[in-house]
Amino acid sequence: QVQLVQSGAEVKKPGSSVKVSCKASGDTFSNFAISWVRQAPGQGLEWMGGIIPIFDTTKYAQKFQGRVTITADESTSTAYMELTSLTSEDTAVYFCARDYAGNSPFDFWGQGTLVSVSS
Amino acid sequence: DIVMTQSPDSLAVSLGERATINCKSSQSVLYSSNNKNCLAWYQQKPGQPPQLLISWASTRESGVPDRFSGSGSGTDFTLTISSLQAEDVAVYYCQQYYITPQTFGQGTKVEIK
Repeated sequence: QVQLVQSGAEVKKPGSSVKVSCKASGDTFSNFAISWVRQAPGQGLEWMGGIIPIFDTTKYAQKFQGRVTITADESTSTAYMELTSLTSEDTAVYFCARDYAGNSPFDFWGQGTLVSVSS
Repeated sequence: DIVMTQSPDSLAVSLGERATINCKSSQSVLYSSNNKNCLAWYQQKPGQPPQLLISWASTRESGVPDRFSGSGSGTDFTLTISSLQAEDVAVYYCQQYYITPQTFGQGTKVEIK
């Protein structure tokens, strides 16, 4: 059974950065892509970007370009999402999700990581 | 970016009755390589991540009850719950995965009347 397990909740100050991890198990990490999707309180789902670990290629939503970095460590089957220059608008639950690298839906999701940004 | 618009924003349906959610994309999401629509439906319950219900507009995922069905093509899609059960109370999202960025509808909240 595929599992994506994310790191725990974070509380950050405005202007700081956060790095969230997503560890995969139950399938070959290199066979798929990992995306990051966020959900602000009471709001919908927003794709931030993704990575194909086997090729180490990334794509980012224009809204987050320059502020988000997605990486992957194949040796530990873990993907990371780092978001910088945090503001209160970045308070959200951040999910990692798996797909097959293009023209495929997200079939497995992590449990979500709450990032709270407050002074 | 492709804009996904769902309707209604919320609906209340009696137990055992039909629930219908519509999703419209701002451009076609028909993938010419397999002649299938790159359209998925997700169910999200409070405090949980979304769960994939339907892919390719009409293919039910393994383990999803057959009261859930998807239809449509091109730019107009529908999720139907044929006989609403208490456990179906959730927010439902459509998503296009035709082009990056993958985009979601704003969500439809389904409640019991």
